[in-house]
Amino acid sequence: AQSVTQLGSHVSVSEGALVLLRCNYSSSVPPYLFWYVQYPNQGLQLLLKYTTGATLVKGINGFEAEFKKSETSFHLTKPSAHMSDAAEYFCAVTSTVWDAGGTSYGKLTFGQGTILTVHP
Amino acid sequence: GAGVSQSPRYKVAKRGQDVALRCDPISGHVSLFWYQQALGQGPEFLTYFQNEAQLDKSGLPSDRFFAERPEGSVSTLKIQRTQQEDSAVYLCASSPGPLNTEAFFGQGTRLTVV
Repeated sequence: AQSVTQLGSHVSVSEGALVLLRCNYSSSVPPYLFWYVQYPNQGLQLLLKYTTGATLVKGINGFEAEFKKSETSFHLTKPSAHMSDAAEYFCAVTSTVWDAGGTSYGKLTFGQGTILTVHP
Repeated sequence: GAGVSQSPRYKVAKRGQDVALRCDPISGHVSLFWYQQALGQGPEFLTYFQNEAQLDKSGLPSDRFFAERPEGSVSTLKIQRTQQEDSAVYLCASSPGPLNTEAFFGQGTRLTVV
């Protein structure tokens, strides 16, 4: 079974400071990893993803994340926070599962979320 | 539209009432997920369709919850005899293929049971 743990339900930073949101996962097979952002009363928007290849992935709005297999981590960073970054962030993992009939699909599992607050 | 569309956006139901939540995925997308997001929590998996086949319904919390996608496009999540604990945002997502390397989410339906 796969699971995702986000360390810290709330993170507060000053505008211009480094943003670091932590995510650890467990998966029995090589995972695909994602970060989503959710603004109030909105759906989830994909920030970035890791599937294969380069372990440092860049996303929208200046965010990036690094897949570290040895640490089972996929932390999200941004060098300089902006007020518009205030939102809730979710780490997610997809692992391939098979149903009883042998059909496979990627099952997406989310962490509990981290609310990012940015102070002026 | 180009994105995933969910309706209604907001639904208030009296306890014991039946509700139906609709999801219009992106045209041509094979995969469709339903998630339940309680206040302050991450989305919790409910069920998964690959075309019209419901491959996984392990997350449905009780037999009061039922989902269908009869023609492999539009999906409906039905909740019978709603209870207060059903109050949540219900999110639908679709993905082009079965590996689900990129899922697109709708804005969700906020269900409040009073």
